Amino acid sequence: DVKVTQSSRYLVKRTGEKVFLECVQDMDHENMFWYRQDPGLGLRLIYFSYDVKMKEKGDIPEGYSVSREKKERFSLILESASTNQTSMYLCASSLVPAGGQDTQYFGPGTRLTVL
Amino acid sequence: QKEVEQNSGPLSVPEGAIASLNCTYSDRVSQSFFWYRQYSGKSPELIMSIYSNGDKEDGRFTAQLNKASQYVSLLIRDSQPSDSATYLCAVKAGAGSYQLTFGKGTKLSVIP
Repeated sequence: DVKVTQSSRYLVKRTGEKVFLECVQDMDHENMFWYRQDPGLGLRLIYFSYDVKMKEKGDIPEGYSVSREKKERFSLILESASTNQTSMYLCASSLVPAGGQDTQYFGPGTRLTVL
Repeated sequence: QKEVEQNSGPLSVPEGAIASLNCTYSDRVSQSFFWYRQYSGKSPELIMSIYSNGDKEDGRFTAQLNKASQYVSLLIRDSQPSDSATYLCAVKAGAGSYQLTFGKGTKLSVIP
């Protein structure tokens, strides 16, 4: 079974703090993704990575950065947290490179509240 | 802008009935289609994937794809209260694409 884990289920931070969200997958997947999910807006892609040290912006990268130093680990960084970044953050991974019939598997999510 | 449209619901069906969930997409070159189920407060879990026109069955679930009409659907037979969840349609374009575009989901409620 594919397993994607996220470092925290719930996180409370203060405005202006630097926040790290960690994601680890144990299935040697090439691709990893960070989404946020908000009521009425659905799932929106923040960043993704198709290889170690490679990253691409998604639809809403502003205010975020990412790091992928090892294949199994993909970190999302909020440089200076703001209240509008309060959301559910979901990490996903997939195996097959672009164009293949791959499937994304999701971690349990981190509910981040920024006060 | 690639778009995936779903009726937000809620869709209410009685226990034992067939639930029909629909999704349309705007990008004609889309090649891979997925249905995810998401329980309240949980992360999405994959139910079905479909890549070719026609029907694909897996237990009580059937996915249907019509690329000419840019339409994909999910049928749930013998609906159970445990099927009550939000169902997300996701679409991926062809070669060179890594990203999934998600619909906003349809909330299904199965009434005992």
